[in-house]
Amino acid sequence: GQNIDQPTEMTATEGAIVQINCTYQTSGFNGLFWYQQHAGEAPTFLSYNVLDGLEEKGRFSSFLSRSKGYSYLLLKELQMKDSASYLCAVRDVGSSASKIIFGSGTRLSIRP
Amino acid sequence: SQTIHQWPATLVQPVGSPLSLECTVEGTSNPNLYWYRQAAGRGLQLLFYSVGIGQISSEVPQNLSASRPQDRQFILSSKKLLLSDSGFYLCAGDSGGYNEQFFGPGTRLTVL
Repeated sequence: GQNIDQPTEMTATEGAIVQINCTYQTSGFNGLFWYQQHAGEAPTFLSYNVLDGLEEKGRFSSFLSRSKGYSYLLLKELQMKDSASYLCAVRDVGSSASKIIFGSGTRLSIRP
Repeated sequence: SQTIHQWPATLVQPVGSPLSLECTVEGTSNPNLYWYRQAAGRGLQLLFYSVGIGQISSEVPQNLSASRPQDRQFILSSKKLLLSDSGFYLCAGDSGGYNEQFFGPGTRLTVL
């Protein structure tokens, strides 16, 4: 089966660091994505990992361990505008095609 | 880069009425196309995906159907809407493999 798990809600302080974890179980794997979604808007792409290790992009970093079925998104120097939902998604490669499956998202609240 | 167009932005429909939501893609050919539904405060539920003209895979049994009459056109339909069809509908596209998904702006559907 397919299962992607991430915490429902998290709270952090402006200027701090927060780590959002994601675990997955899929029949196939061809990469893991992180998206940011502000309320009422479409998701926007943050990062993509297909090999093990850490990918850094400015204040955001994403880590992948394929053997553990685990990823995290690290946000540094938090700003109030980072308050949003963060979606973990996996490209699941099936017999006929690949499709992207999303977790339920983690709602991150930033307090001053 | 890809651009996904969706319309309308908001829609209010009575129970039992038909539905047709259209999605068109610019900037790429032969994309994978997806329809997702998102309930308030929840994650993205994959409804349909398509790897080519006339090729539709359904993820969950439901009151909805999808069609892909042209390479860059993806349509979500219903003959008779239910209250439970209310939600935020997102069309997305990608080129498969190591490529991220691009999302349209979404349609907020309210069934009364």
